[in-house]
Amino acid sequence: NAGVTQTPKFRILKIGQSMTLQCAQDMNHNYMYWYRQDPGMGLKLIYYSVGAGITDKGEVPNGYNVSRSTTEDFPLRLELAAPSQTSVYFCASSYAQGRKETQYFGPGTRLLVL
Amino acid sequence: RKEVEQDPGPFNVPEGATVAFNCTYSNSASQSFFWYRQDCRKEPKLLMSVYSSGNEDGRFTAQLNRASQYISLLIRDSKLSDSATYLCAVNVNAGKSTFGDGTTLTVKP
Repeated sequence: NAGVTQTPKFRILKIGQSMTLQCAQDMNHNYMYWYRQDPGMGLKLIYYSVGAGITDKGEVPNGYNVSRSTTEDFPLRLELAAPSQTSVYFCASSYAQGRKETQYFGPGTRLLVL
Repeated sequence: RKEVEQDPGPFNVPEGATVAFNCTYSNSASQSFFWYRQDCRKEPKLLMSVYSSGNEDGRFTAQLNRASQYISLLIRDSKLSDSATYLCAVNVNAGKSTFGDGTTLTVKP
């Protein structure tokens, strides 16, 4: 199993550009998440999904969109990139076992908006 | 007040020392608790789940105190390889973890 994969690893965007961060998992997990992590800070939940076709906002959803058309893929879309979106983006997935789900993280995408 | 708070440290300890981290949470309805380890410029990885009765994994011991709403992580006989940032995570509902900002540990020779 590859686990959780993310592409690209690093990207520089100009203000106002858009891009899609890709995330895929091959563990048949029903839950998937997008977080951002600013330097020296913890993880902030952007969006999450409890299954294909179902998404919901997290703590910091503004400026982002997601879709979940398959169990495996959970892309994150940035429209009109802003310097405040410079961060490291982590995708994660989990298989809920009761309420004790463990999250598995991808390696992250480092985004710089100039 | 943040939902999940950790002492940011840094904690600088010598090899062989015992070190403990606390993490407090504000929502009394929280159900699941975890400790993750994050190495520099890497993704977080689960270190251990925290069970009501407390649990141990080698040199690591996790405790939950529901009355005072905190979890703790104890590391005994610290190794250089334990140097990392330790994140606590708390779930109120299945599918949504709230993470602390992390506690940085540096173990020195």
